[in-house]
Amino acid sequence: EAQVTQNPRYLITVTGKKLTVTCSQNMNHEYMSWYRQDPGLGLRQIYYSMNVEVTDKGDVPEGYKVSRKEKRNFPLILESPSPNQTSLYFCASSLSPGLDTGELFFGEGSRLTVL
Amino acid sequence: AQKVTQAQTEISVVEKEDVTLDCVYETRDTTYYLFWYKQPPSGELVFLIRRNSFDEQNEISGRYSWNFRKSTSSFNFTITASQVVDSAVYFCALGSWGKLQFGAGTQVVVTP
Repeated sequence: EAQVTQNPRYLITVTGKKLTVTCSQNMNHEYMSWYRQDPGLGLRQIYYSMNVEVTDKGDVPEGYKVSRKEKRNFPLILESPSPNQTSLYFCASSLSPGLDTGELFFGEGSRLTVL
Repeated sequence: AQKVTQAQTEISVVEKEDVTLDCVYETRDTTYYLFWYKQPPSGELVFLIRRNSFDEQNEISGRYSWNFRKSTSSFNFTITASQVVDSAVYFCALGSWGKLQFGAGTQVVVTP
């Protein structure tokens, strides 16, 4: 089954404790990206990757890191989480690196709470 | 900079009424892509449509229809004969070369 898998789905952590949210897709997609969803703000792009070893900042990259060492994986790293990073996070992937064909497939979301 | 505006925060209708969701976008790119996604109460994001900037054809899919007008930078979405299952948050999004901006979303509430 074609899917984007995020882990963990739910996480409560404390300020400053490094964490990683994993994202994996099994569709051989070139493009992957991360978003956070906050009430009243919709989804905001954190980082995106158009190919292996190629990553770019979205609109809200501060406080986050990403890497794309393999095509299928695109982990989101919070080196020192803070309460303002409490949010619902979505990973997505698409076949085309430029988003010019096909749909953007989303994972089920990861709800992160930073105390 | 790209921007997507969904001015309607919430729309409430009675079942079988039509509902139109507005989406206005701003971009300097000549090639771009527009999307609509549905987020039901369960939280997942469901793809509805994708439209390229050079394709202004309107589209109908069952009870859903989309009206794309480059002249007014709008990509509006209409649900005809709404049903309770249409209750969800609907997002419009604008993409270009990997960057993707979403609107704030419109909550649609359909009551029986």
